[in-house]
Amino acid sequence: QVQLVESGGGVVQPGTSLRLSCAASRFTFSNYGMHWVRQAPGKGLEWVALISYDGSDNYYADSVKGRFTISRDNSKNTLYLQMNSLRPEDTAVYYCAKGGGTYFFPLDPWGQGTLVTVSS
Amino acid sequence: QSALTQPRSVSGSPGQSVTISCTGTSSDVGGYDLVSWYRHHPGKAPEVMIYDVTKRASGVPDRFSGSKSGNTASLTISGLQAEDEADYYCCSYAGRYSFVVFGGGTQLTVL
Repeated sequence: QVQLVESGGGVVQPGTSLRLSCAASRFTFSNYGMHWVRQAPGKGLEWVALISYDGSDNYYADSVKGRFTISRDNSKNTLYLQMNSLRPEDTAVYYCAKGGGTYFFPLDPWGQGTLVTVSS
Repeated sequence: QSALTQPRSVSGSPGQSVTISCTGTSSDVGGYDLVSWYRHHPGKAPEVMIYDVTKRASGVPDRFSGSKSGNTASLTISGLQAEDEADYYCCSYAGRYSFVVFGGGTQLTVL
């Protein structure tokens, strides 16, 4: 069964950086696009970013464009999210999800998430 | 990238049916047959229930069905069961610039 495990979350101060990782297993990682989605406390799901199977195409939500960078290392079966200039409103549980075959839909499955808290 | 519009909450008794709506625009829901629905139990990973508007994900019972009319998609759950109580989110492809948009989520309560 496909497995996605996020890591790298923690408590950081505003303006600092953090890198999240998503370790993928039990599927051919290099064949699929991958998403990051987040959920702020008490809020709904918010799509963050998407990367194509080979990393050649990236897409971002306006709220993170220019601050976050999605990347992948297919040799390590790992997805990353580099988050710079963090703001309190970036506080959320961050999920990675495997993209499907048509325009990277549906998002299936998802990892359990990693919590990022941005606070002074 | 405006979120799709869902009711904040719906409820029903065991055995009843409920429908959750998801309203977008011709640039997302109405423009593509790429609407999916996710169930999220707090503290767990979200899971896809419906994709491509009407297709049930693997292992999802046929009590769950999806449809779309114009700019509004719907998720119907029939024969409500206690374990259906969760938050439900719709999601749509929104073109090459916005790409993915979620609804605000609907809390389903089984009375």
